[in-house]
Amino acid sequence: AQSVTQLDSQVPVFEEAPVELRCNYSSSVSVYLFWYVQYPNQGLQLLLKYLSGSTLVKGINGFEAEFNKSQTSFHLRKPSVHISDTAEYFCAVSRYNTDKLIFGTGTRLQVFP
Amino acid sequence: GAVVSQHPSRVICKSGTSVKIECRSLDFQATTMFWYRQFPKQSLMLMATSNEGSKATYEQGVEKDKFLINHASLTLSTLTVTSAHPEDSSFYICSARGQSTWNEQFFGPGTRLTVL
Repeated sequence: AQSVTQLDSQVPVFEEAPVELRCNYSSSVSVYLFWYVQYPNQGLQLLLKYLSGSTLVKGINGFEAEFNKSQTSFHLRKPSVHISDTAEYFCAVSRYNTDKLIFGTGTRLQVFP
Repeated sequence: GAVVSQHPSRVICKSGTSVKIECRSLDFQATTMFWYRQFPKQSLMLMATSNEGSKATYEQGVEKDKFLINHASLTLSTLTVTSAHPEDSSFYICSARGQSTWNEQFFGPGTRLTVL
């Protein structure tokens, strides 16, 4: 079975500072990896996904993530955050070629002016 | 991008009543729809997967007689919480996947259910 661990429940950061949100997964088979963002009282929006190929994935809003198979990680990064990036971020994994998404517990990114 | 809507956005009901939540794909045909449940400050837990015209597949521990899912068309799925109790209070989120977007789910804005 697959599982996802987001070690940081909250990450406070000042505006224009860089940020990294950590995600580790466990799986005995090949997986697809995703990062979603959830703004208050809204559904989830896809930031980026890794299916195959280049391990560095660029997404929307200036976010990027790097797939590291040896460390089973898929950390999300942004070089300079904005106030508007304040939201809940979820890492998710799905087994190769299946629909089912397994989500981590989420990381609350709080950007301060 | 693909848009998924949910209705209602919020619902408050009395214990023992049934509540229906609708999930619609507005600009694409959703061959598969998913229903998730999210408790406060927790992650999304998949409840069931439904394919248009077929019976839903429920995750372990989810009572299918309690949470009735219907996916009668390629643009509409409904979740009915039957005989709701306070412990059913939660944020319910649906997502949809189309034939041409097999590896991406598009999420609705969610429905906040409060059972008194």
